[in-house]
Formats: sequence, structure tokens, C-alpha cells
Amino acid sequence: KQEVTQIPAALSVPEGENLVLNCSFTDSAIYNLQWFRQDPGKGLTSLLLIQSSQREQTSGRLNASLDKSSGRSTLYIAASQPGDSATYLCAVPAGNMLTFGGGTRLMVKP
Amino acid sequence: DAGVIQSPRHEVTEMGQEVTLRCKPISGHDYLFWYRQTMMRGLELLIYFNNNVPIDDSGMPEDRFSAKMPNASFSTLKIQPSEPRDSAVYFCASSLILNTEAFFGQGTRLTVV
Repeated sequence: KQEVTQIPAALSVPEGENLVLNCSFTDSAIYNLQWFRQDPGKGLTSLLLIQSSQREQTSGRLNASLDKSSGRSTLYIAASQPGDSATYLCAVPAGNMLTFGGGTRLMVKP
Repeated sequence: DAGVIQSPRHEVTEMGQEVTLRCKPISGHDYLFWYRQTMMRGLELLIYFNNNVPIDDSGMPEDRFSAKMPNASFSTLKIQPSEPRDSAVYFCASSLILNTEAFFGQGTRLTVV
């Protein structure tokens, strides 16, 4: 059974810092890995999707990497801003469903 | 496309009442998923449809829960009778094909008192 873990569960940083969020999964036979952002009381916004054949994917200040063999993905956020404050979730397809990590709650302080 | 649209955004109901949650997937997406999010259990898949047909409902917690997809642009999740432990945020998501990028709606926050 696929299990997805995110560390840390919460992170507080000053504005401007570069930061890394971690995601690990137990079964490396994945099609892809998706990173989401969730603002309080809101839905999930898809940030990046990395295919299993890719090593990384970039969108603006976000860069996601994937190492299937070690069962890890990282989301790098450059020059963090207060508007980046949210919960970040990673998810992998497992069977016919997405299995989510518990999320990292990020707070970027001005 | 406006994305996945869910209604209502918030629902407060009394225990024992029937609750119906609604979802309009992204046009052209063949897969529709219903998830539930709670603090204790995170995001859990309840049921998913392919081309309007329910494929896997093993995540539906009890017979009190039912879901339908009468056409490609509409799905409902019904809870009857509702209980306080059903309080959660219910998300609908859709994707073009299985195991591709999933797009989520804004969710329905359900409170059963």
C-alpha cells in the first residue's frame, strides 16, 4: 500500500528565504507526482505535476524534483513571499486514486 | 473553462437530515472523483466515476453515502441520514484520463450539528 509522508508538518520562515519542502513515498512504481497548494478554507490548486520519466519541473519561483529510486520529491520555493503562506500537499496515483501526504503548513512572515 | 465547480460552498444541517452535494467537472474530463478531508484522516477518496459510471466506491464509509453521475457534467454526493461525524470538507475533482493531472473544486464544508 502506497504511503506518502511530508516533512516538516509546519514551517515558518522570514520573507525572502529560499526553502525546501519534502515528500517521500514508499512505492516507487508511480506514474507521476503532483504538488498542490491549499489556502485555508479553500480547495486544492495544482502547482506542478512531474511525470515519472522527468527529474524536475519548474513554474515561476517553484521547482519540483523527483527521485523515484529513493522515493522522494522536493518542492523548492525561491525568494519566499507572505503570499506563499499556505499548506502544500504532494500526491501520487496509487491504484485508481491519489494518495496524499499530510501536507506542510508554510508561514512566510513579512 | 471555469474549473471544477461545487455547490454549496458551506452547508450546516441537523443530524438526521439529508444532505446533497453537487459537482460540475471540467468539460471533457472523463474521470470524476469525490474526496473527503478531515483533520484526523487527511484527504480520502470516497468514489470515482469514469464516463459517468461508478468504478470504485470502496471508500464510501457507509450505506448512508451514495453518489450519482447522471451525465458528463453533473454529479451528486448524498448523505442520508447525516451524522455529526460526517462533518468535513468534501472535494470533487476531475481529470482527463486516469493518473493524469487532477483538478479540484473549492470544496463543500459540511457541518452536521
